[in-house]
Amino acid sequence: NAGVTQTPKFQVLKTGQSMTLQCAQDMNHNSMYWYRQDPGMGLRLIYYSASEGTTDKGEVPNGYNVSRLNKREFSLRLESAAPSQTSVYFCASSVGGSGTYGYTFGSGTRLTVV
Amino acid sequence: KNEVEQSPQNLTAQEGEFITINCSYSVGISALHWLQQHPGGGIVSLFMLSSGKKKHGRLIATINIQEKHSSLHITASHPRDSAVYICAVTHSGAGSYQLTFGKGTKLSVIP
Repeated sequence: NAGVTQTPKFQVLKTGQSMTLQCAQDMNHNSMYWYRQDPGMGLRLIYYSASEGTTDKGEVPNGYNVSRLNKREFSLRLESAAPSQTSVYFCASSVGGSGTYGYTFGSGTRLTVV
Repeated sequence: KNEVEQSPQNLTAQEGEFITINCSYSVGISALHWLQQHPGGGIVSLFMLSSGKKKHGRLIATINIQEKHSSLHITASHPRDSAVYICAVTHSGAGSYQLTFGKGTKLSVIP
């Protein structure tokens, strides 16, 4: 099925380890996003890429880096994981960011940092 | 104060009941989104609207731009409607790439 694919679905890291969350979309969307979801809080934007070749910080970028590898792929890297980064991470994409387009979300990555 | 407030936080209904979930926001927006998240699952976009009303099956979404308020209605509710429903807004203007989310309304429909 067409959509947004995230890998892995689950991951346990030790404090200080690094990892990359992968995201790919096959809908020819221009914009891609990484969000985190924590209990009792709404989803919060970590980074986004308005178009291929551009990336920008969102609300909670500290401790993360991103790469827009091509139009399809947008990865999120944790260089030195901390327990505060335990969360569920969602990748999303949209045709554009003007608010006139809907968003498609991936199924999420549940990350635990111990 | 959060920019997007949803009510109620939790809602339990009997199968067949008419359900309303409310969303109020305090910022200028270009669009409002209703999303659905099943337990342990991904997030599905239900509606995007900037005015008026939209209907899809048993789901109806309305928005009043002047009052900065939106409602999601579910008619003839069913246990499979049990999920968290999330309201989100796309800011107008320079911040238009950012969605601001409400904290969600957890709906449980009992057979």
